[in-house]
Amino acid sequence: QKEVEQNSGPLSVPEGAIASLNCTYSDRGSQSFFWYRQYSGKSPELIMFIYSNGDKEDGRFTAQLNKASQYVSLLIRDSQPSDSATYLCAGGWSNDMRFGAGTRLTVKP
Amino acid sequence: GAGVSQSPSNKVTEKGKDVELRCDPISGHTALYWYRQSLGQGLEFLIYFQGNSAPDKSGLPSDRFSAERTGGSVSTLTIQRTQQEDSAVYLCASSYGLGSPTDTQYFGPGTRLTVL
Repeated sequence: QKEVEQNSGPLSVPEGAIASLNCTYSDRGSQSFFWYRQYSGKSPELIMFIYSNGDKEDGRFTAQLNKASQYVSLLIRDSQPSDSATYLCAGGWSNDMRFGAGTRLTVKP
Repeated sequence: GAGVSQSPSNKVTEKGKDVELRCDPISGHTALYWYRQSLGQGLEFLIYFQGNSAPDKSGLPSDRFSAERTGGSVSTLTIQRTQQEDSAVYLCASSYGLGSPTDTQYFGPGTRLTVL
Protein backbone atom coordinates (compact mmCIF):
# COMPACT_ATOMS: atom_id res chain seq x y z
CA GLN A 1 0.00 0.00 0.00
CA LYS A 2 1.48 3.30 -1.06
CA GLU A 3 0.56 6.09 1.31
CA VAL A 4 1.69 9.64 1.84
CA GLU A 5 0.78 11.15 5.17
CA GLN A 6 0.93 14.78 6.18
CA ASN A 7 0.25 16.49 9.49
CA SER A 8 -3.04 18.05 8.55
CA GLY A 9 -2.58 21.14 10.67
CA PRO A 10 -3.73 23.77 10.51
CA LEU A 11 -0.35 25.32 11.14
CA SER A 12 -0.08 28.94 12.14
CA VAL A 13 3.16 30.89 12.37
CA PRO A 14 3.94 34.60 12.79
CA GLU A 15 5.37 36.57 9.93
CA GLY A 16 9.11 36.16 9.68
CA ALA A 17 9.18 32.79 11.44
CA ILE A 18 10.18 29.43 9.98
CA ALA A 19 7.29 27.20 8.94
CA SER A 20 7.99 23.46 9.01
CA LEU A 21 5.79 21.12 7.02
CA ASN A 22 6.23 17.37 7.34
CA CYS A 23 5.36 14.33 5.29
CA THR A 24 5.96 10.59 5.68
CA TYR A 25 5.59 7.88 3.09
CA SER A 26 5.15 4.15 3.26
CA ASP A 27 6.65 2.90 -0.01
CA ARG A 28 10.42 2.53 0.21
CA GLY A 29 10.49 2.32 -3.57
CA SER A 30 9.29 5.89 -3.89
CA GLN A 31 11.77 7.76 -6.00
CA SER A 32 10.86 11.41 -5.95
CA PHE A 33 8.99 13.83 -3.78
CA PHE A 34 7.26 17.02 -4.71
CA TRP A 35 5.89 19.92 -2.74
CA TYR A 36 2.96 21.80 -4.22
CA ARG A 37 1.29 24.95 -2.92
CA GLN A 38 -2.43 25.40 -3.38
CA TYR A 39 -4.15 28.67 -2.70
CA SER A 40 -7.82 28.54 -1.84
CA GLY A 41 -9.88 27.97 -4.96
CA LYS A 42 -6.81 27.52 -7.13
CA SER A 43 -5.01 24.51 -8.57
CA PRO A 44 -1.77 23.15 -7.10
CA GLU A 45 1.46 24.74 -8.27
CA LEU A 46 4.88 23.15 -7.93
CA ILE A 47 7.28 24.61 -5.38
CA MET A 48 10.11 22.11 -5.67
CA PHE A 49 11.03 18.46 -5.95
CA ILE A 50 13.69 16.37 -4.26
CA TYR A 51 14.97 12.87 -4.93
CA SER A 52 18.33 12.72 -3.17
CA ASN A 53 18.90 12.38 0.55
CA GLY A 54 19.70 15.64 2.26
CA ASP A 55 18.62 19.21 1.77
CA LYS A 56 17.69 21.13 -1.33
CA GLU A 57 17.34 24.88 -1.12
CA ASP A 58 15.49 27.25 -3.42
CA GLY A 59 15.20 30.79 -2.14
CA ARG A 60 13.26 30.78 1.12
CA PHE A 61 12.28 27.14 0.66
CA THR A 62 14.29 24.11 1.77
CA ALA A 63 13.17 20.55 1.12
CA GLN A 64 14.66 17.79 3.23
CA LEU A 65 14.58 14.09 2.39
CA ASN A 66 15.52 11.21 4.67
CA LYS A 67 14.93 7.95 2.87
CA ALA A 68 15.97 5.83 5.84
CA SER A 69 13.23 7.40 7.94
CA GLN A 70 10.88 7.77 4.96
CA TYR A 71 10.41 11.40 5.82
CA VAL A 72 10.18 14.55 3.72
CA SER A 73 9.87 18.08 4.98
CA LEU A 74 9.56 21.59 3.65
CA LEU A 75 10.92 24.56 5.55
CA ILE A 76 9.81 28.06 4.69
CA ARG A 77 12.12 30.72 6.08
CA ASP A 78 11.04 34.31 6.73
CA SER A 79 7.39 33.29 6.28
CA GLN A 80 5.18 35.88 4.65
CA PRO A 81 1.38 36.26 4.73
CA SER A 82 1.44 35.43 1.02
CA ASP A 83 2.73 31.96 1.95
CA SER A 84 -0.64 31.21 3.55
CA ALA A 85 -1.97 28.26 1.56
CA THR A 86 -2.36 24.50 1.67
CA TYR A 87 0.86 22.60 1.00
CA LEU A 88 0.61 19.22 -0.65
CA CYS A 89 3.32 16.60 -0.43
CA ALA A 90 3.48 14.04 -3.24
CA GLY A 91 5.71 11.03 -3.60
CA GLY A 92 6.34 8.09 -5.83
CA TRP A 93 7.16 7.70 -9.46
CA SER A 94 6.12 10.13 -12.16
CA ASN A 95 3.34 7.81 -13.28
CA ASP A 96 2.36 6.63 -9.83
CA MET A 97 2.39 9.67 -7.63
CA ARG A 98 0.42 9.76 -4.41
CA PHE A 99 -0.61 12.99 -2.76
CA GLY A 100 -1.00 13.69 0.92
CA ALA A 101 -4.12 15.39 2.21
CA GLY A 102 -2.26 18.69 2.57
CA THR A 103 -1.32 20.97 5.45
CA ARG A 104 -3.01 24.33 5.74
CA LEU A 105 -0.54 27.06 6.67
CA THR A 106 -1.50 30.49 7.94
CA VAL A 107 1.15 33.17 8.33
CA LYS A 108 -0.08 35.93 10.61
CA PRO A 109 1.14 39.51 10.08
CA GLY B 1 -0.30 25.79 -25.23
CA ALA B 2 1.41 27.61 -22.42
CA GLY B 3 -0.27 25.57 -19.73
CA VAL B 4 -2.86 22.90 -19.06
CA SER B 5 -6.34 24.11 -19.90
CA GLN B 6 -9.64 22.70 -18.74
CA SER B 7 -13.22 23.37 -19.66
CA PRO B 8 -15.72 24.24 -18.48
CA SER B 9 -14.44 26.04 -15.41
CA ASN B 10 -17.75 25.48 -13.67
CA LYS B 11 -20.49 22.98 -14.33
CA VAL B 12 -23.81 22.73 -12.53
CA THR B 13 -25.93 19.75 -13.40
CA GLU B 14 -28.90 17.85 -12.09
CA LYS B 15 -28.64 14.47 -10.46
CA GLY B 16 -28.82 11.71 -13.05
CA LYS B 17 -27.46 13.74 -15.94
CA ASP B 18 -24.24 12.94 -17.78
CA VAL B 19 -21.36 15.42 -17.88
CA GLU B 20 -18.18 15.72 -19.93
CA LEU B 21 -15.08 17.50 -18.70
CA ARG B 22 -12.28 18.41 -21.07
CA CYS B 23 -8.52 18.71 -20.56
CA ASP B 24 -5.96 20.03 -23.01
CA PRO B 25 -2.43 19.20 -21.79
CA ILE B 26 0.78 21.10 -22.30
CA SER B 27 2.13 20.58 -25.79
CA GLY B 28 4.73 17.81 -25.84
CA HIS B 29 3.51 16.17 -22.63
CA THR B 30 2.73 12.51 -23.16
CA ALA B 31 1.37 11.79 -19.70
CA LEU B 32 -2.04 13.02 -18.55
CA TYR B 33 -3.71 12.56 -15.19
CA TRP B 34 -7.16 13.20 -13.78
CA TYR B 35 -7.71 13.88 -10.08
CA ARG B 36 -10.71 14.74 -7.97
CA GLN B 37 -10.59 17.08 -5.00
CA SER B 38 -13.52 17.39 -2.68
CA LEU B 39 -13.87 20.50 -0.53
CA GLY B 40 -11.05 20.69 1.99
CA GLN B 41 -9.64 17.33 0.96
CA GLY B 42 -6.50 16.14 -0.78
CA LEU B 43 -6.17 14.91 -4.34
CA GLU B 44 -7.81 11.64 -5.29
CA PHE B 45 -6.19 9.95 -8.30
CA LEU B 46 -8.69 8.87 -10.95
CA ILE B 47 -6.94 7.85 -14.15
CA TYR B 48 -3.60 8.14 -15.94
CA PHE B 49 -2.74 8.10 -19.65
CA GLN B 50 0.78 7.56 -20.97
CA GLY B 51 1.23 7.91 -24.71
CA ASN B 52 -0.61 5.18 -26.59
CA SER B 53 -0.52 2.69 -23.71
CA ALA B 54 -3.66 1.39 -22.06
CA PRO B 55 -4.71 3.87 -19.35
CA ASP B 56 -4.35 3.15 -15.66
CA LYS B 57 -7.98 3.27 -14.51
CA SER B 58 -7.31 2.01 -11.01
CA GLY B 59 -8.58 5.18 -9.35
CA LEU B 60 -11.96 5.46 -11.02
CA PRO B 61 -14.54 5.23 -8.21
CA SER B 62 -17.27 3.48 -10.20
CA ASP B 63 -18.23 2.38 -13.69
CA ARG B 64 -20.10 5.65 -14.11
CA PHE B 65 -16.72 7.27 -14.65
CA SER B 66 -14.79 6.90 -17.88
CA ALA B 67 -12.15 8.82 -19.75
CA GLU B 68 -10.60 8.83 -23.15
CA ARG B 69 -7.69 10.56 -24.77
CA THR B 70 -7.90 11.12 -28.47
CA GLY B 71 -4.77 11.43 -30.58
CA GLY B 72 -2.59 11.39 -27.52
CA SER B 73 -3.55 14.94 -26.63
CA VAL B 74 -6.96 16.17 -25.45
CA SER B 75 -8.74 14.08 -22.84
CA THR B 76 -12.38 13.90 -21.85
CA LEU B 77 -13.61 12.66 -18.48
CA THR B 78 -17.23 11.51 -18.60
CA ILE B 79 -19.43 10.97 -15.58
CA GLN B 80 -22.69 9.22 -16.30
CA ARG B 81 -25.80 9.45 -14.14
CA THR B 82 -24.20 11.99 -11.84
CA GLN B 83 -24.76 11.78 -8.11
CA GLN B 84 -24.47 14.50 -5.49
CA GLU B 85 -21.33 12.88 -4.11
CA ASP B 86 -19.66 13.51 -7.47
CA SER B 87 -19.60 17.23 -6.64
CA ALA B 88 -15.95 18.24 -6.47
CA VAL B 89 -13.20 20.00 -8.37
CA TYR B 90 -11.82 17.82 -11.13
CA LEU B 91 -8.18 18.57 -11.85
CA CYS B 92 -6.18 17.53 -14.85
CA ALA B 93 -2.38 17.43 -14.90
CA SER B 94 0.19 16.61 -17.53
CA SER B 95 3.88 15.78 -17.58
CA TYR B 96 6.54 14.73 -20.05
CA GLY B 97 6.02 11.15 -18.93
CA LEU B 98 9.68 10.26 -19.20
CA GLY B 99 9.63 8.30 -15.97
CA SER B 100 12.57 10.27 -14.62
CA PRO B 101 12.72 11.36 -10.97
CA THR B 102 12.23 14.96 -12.00
CA ASP B 103 9.20 14.44 -14.21
CA THR B 104 6.81 17.01 -12.80
CA GLN B 105 3.07 17.21 -13.12
CA TYR B 106 1.59 20.57 -14.02
CA PHE B 107 -2.01 21.19 -13.13
CA GLY B 108 -4.82 22.87 -14.98
CA PRO B 109 -7.23 25.30 -13.29
CA GLY B 110 -9.81 22.58 -12.68
CA THR B 111 -13.49 22.16 -13.33
CA ARG B 112 -15.81 22.72 -10.40
CA LEU B 113 -18.71 20.29 -10.72
CA THR B 114 -21.86 20.79 -8.70
CA VAL B 115 -24.56 18.15 -8.82
CA LEU B 116 -27.89 19.38 -7.53
